Amino acid sequence: KAGVTQTPRYLIKTRGQQVTLSCSPISGHRSVSWYQQTPGQGLQFLFEYFSETQRNKGNFPGRFSGRQFSNSRSEMNVSTLELGDSALYLCASSLSGTNSPLHFGNGTRLTVT
Amino acid sequence: QKEVEQDPGPLSVPEGAIVSLNCTYSNSAFQYFMWYRQYSRKGPELLMYTYSSGNKEDGRFTAQVDKSSKYISLFIRDSQPSDSATYLCAMSAPNAGNMLTFGGGTRLMVKP
Repeated sequence: KAGVTQTPRYLIKTRGQQVTLSCSPISGHRSVSWYQQTPGQGLQFLFEYFSETQRNKGNFPGRFSGRQFSNSRSEMNVSTLELGDSALYLCASSLSGTNSPLHFGNGTRLTVT
Repeated sequence: QKEVEQDPGPLSVPEGAIVSLNCTYSNSAFQYFMWYRQYSRKGPELLMYTYSSGNKEDGRFTAQVDKSSKYISLFIRDSQPSDSATYLCAMSAPNAGNMLTFGGGTRLMVKP
């Protein structure tokens, strides 16, 4: 079974631009979560989708948004990029919607210059 | 103070040693506890998943949860150089969906 796939692996953007990251979950998984990983703050929860509905949202500004499609694939968008948005963005999928093990992709490394 | 505390290390041990990794937490609502291993330039890989208190063993790995002390541990027996990675504890509360709170990670180095 293929794992969680994230594209692209690396991105370089300029401050003020926007970016869209993509995630394909493990086949059959209906829940997709997004996390931001930085050296200073570690792994922080962004949001979670289940059956195309956002169920939880972390403490991030409204510039961070996401969506999930009917095939469970998910995208996250960051608008008006800031230097502090430079991070590894990780997507994770799980089989069910509550307290089930999360399986992570290898992330998208975003650098904002 | 962070909800989940984890010693960042690095922790350096010789090959074959028993490794003990620990996390403490402050939120008594946490009921689900996980350990992830993360290699450089890779995503976290799930090692252990436990519910509530007690022990769970899987091969060379043993996870322990002591909810009365708000303390969880991961033991690695017969450590190998391939175990060198960052180990992250994570936990979640019931009815929180799949929202995890992570520790900052402990970097482990196993020397041949």
